[in-house]
Amino acid sequence: RKEVEQDPGPFNVPEGATVAFNCTYSNSASQSFFWYRQDCRKEPKLLMSVYSSGNEDGRFTAQLNRASQYISLLIRDSKLSDSATYLCVVTGDYGQNFVFGPGTRLSVLP
Amino acid sequence: EAGVAQSPRYKIIEKRQSVAFWCNPISGHATLYWYQQILGQGPKLLIQFQNNGVVDDSQLPKDRFSAERLKGVDSTLKIQPAKLEDSAVYLCASSARGGDYNEQFFGPGTRLTVL
Repeated sequence: RKEVEQDPGPFNVPEGATVAFNCTYSNSASQSFFWYRQDCRKEPKLLMSVYSSGNEDGRFTAQLNRASQYISLLIRDSKLSDSATYLCVVTGDYGQNFVFGPGTRLSVLP
Repeated sequence: EAGVAQSPRYKIIEKRQSVAFWCNPISGHATLYWYQQILGQGPKLLIQFQNNGVVDDSQLPKDRFSAERLKGVDSTLKIQPAKLEDSAVYLCASSARGGDYNEQFFGPGTRLTVL
């Protein structure tokens, strides 16, 4: 089993749609969780950290379920500019052992 | 604030040749990372430095890859000799510190093609 797995995608959705991405991780000792966004042929950029209580940033909501070792990202009211690959990131103790998932590609269509 | 700088941006070499990549992190960032990203995959951590010490190099193929961060600032990653499967984008990232909150800022990457 891979350390971090994500929905394979791609997701093709119309503007205004709500879309959810899932990520599972195998290491129960994982400490920190993030979602990064990567545009085509660009470097990854932090989208949001994921906290145990769940967190929201505008149209984006992240959830963490430690018992199920599962992270999710919800995007509401999709925009064309949301088209990108979304990478789930999991770390071990003390900010070490960063593991990126394979990413899920999203295309928002007009 | 200047971002993470990398050079070269592109490199084409033949297998068995050597290649080196350079990274200059954001000023003041103590932690520096090198990642390998193969097309269609997520970045894979090769090595993590805290200042000029190695924190994690468990996935670095040490028979052919080496990295150093002299004086705790710039870093170089070397491949010697290169193989076809080393074709990838090599990303450098830095963060202010290690620990639970550590947003990584990535450079534009070096795209390596091994023929």
